[in-house]
Amino acid sequence: QSVLTQPPSVSAAPGQKVTISCSGSSSNIGNNYVSWYQQLPGTAPKLLIYDNNKRPSGIPDRFSGSKSGTSATLGITGLQTGDEADYHCGTWDSSLSAVVFGGGTKLTVL
Amino acid sequence: EVHLVESGGGLVQPGGSLRLSCAASGFTFSSYSMNWVRQAPGKGLEWVSYITSSSSNIYYADSVKGRFTISRDNAKNSLYLQMNSLRAEDTAVYYCGRVMSGYLSFDYWGQGTLVTVSS
Repeated sequence: QSVLTQPPSVSAAPGQKVTISCSGSSSNIGNNYVSWYQQLPGTAPKLLIYDNNKRPSGIPDRFSGSKSGTSATLGITGLQTGDEADYHCGTWDSSLSAVVFGGGTKLTVL
Repeated sequence: EVHLVESGGGLVQPGGSLRLSCAASGFTFSSYSMNWVRQAPGKGLEWVSYITSSSSNIYYADSVKGRFTISRDNAKNSLYLQMNSLRAEDTAVYYCGRVMSGYLSFDYWGQGTLVTVSS
């Protein structure tokens, strides 16, 4: 059971937009920055978003992040088949003194 | 270019021990905090342990506290994870990850090393 809650799967057609939610509490998302990671099949995770909404160099602006209260959202526009992957949210939990992740969301581009 | 390469994984019996290593290159290793994160087959990511650049602060997930020990050798650009009293539920791919400077995000990850705990 993950501390952060993500939907197990989402799907959308190529070219469309999708959002992935990540729900937590005041001890984690509510008072700490959220990161998002993309994990393509059979590969290591890759940082997509840090500090709730910042993109590392090289990450296209089709990917965006936002946070409101104790929830965060990853948005992906102009979906491509190459975006099919698992997406994980993560943050620090001040009560646990631990990094916590969501269970991951599998994105299918139909 | 930043490179992180894990090694030391393998098959071990329950109750056994294993030491993972992570060789870092392409950046000033001694300036960065580092982490271990694991992923059980078909499951999500689980953070394992965190060590600051000078080893002054170390954190563990409750699931491994008292059994795993994180350490680093800045002279050798290497991160380690000593795993004792291994259990079946420790079976996972173990990734080392660099902590992004100034942020609690992992900006570079190794390719992972598989640890299988089974009799």
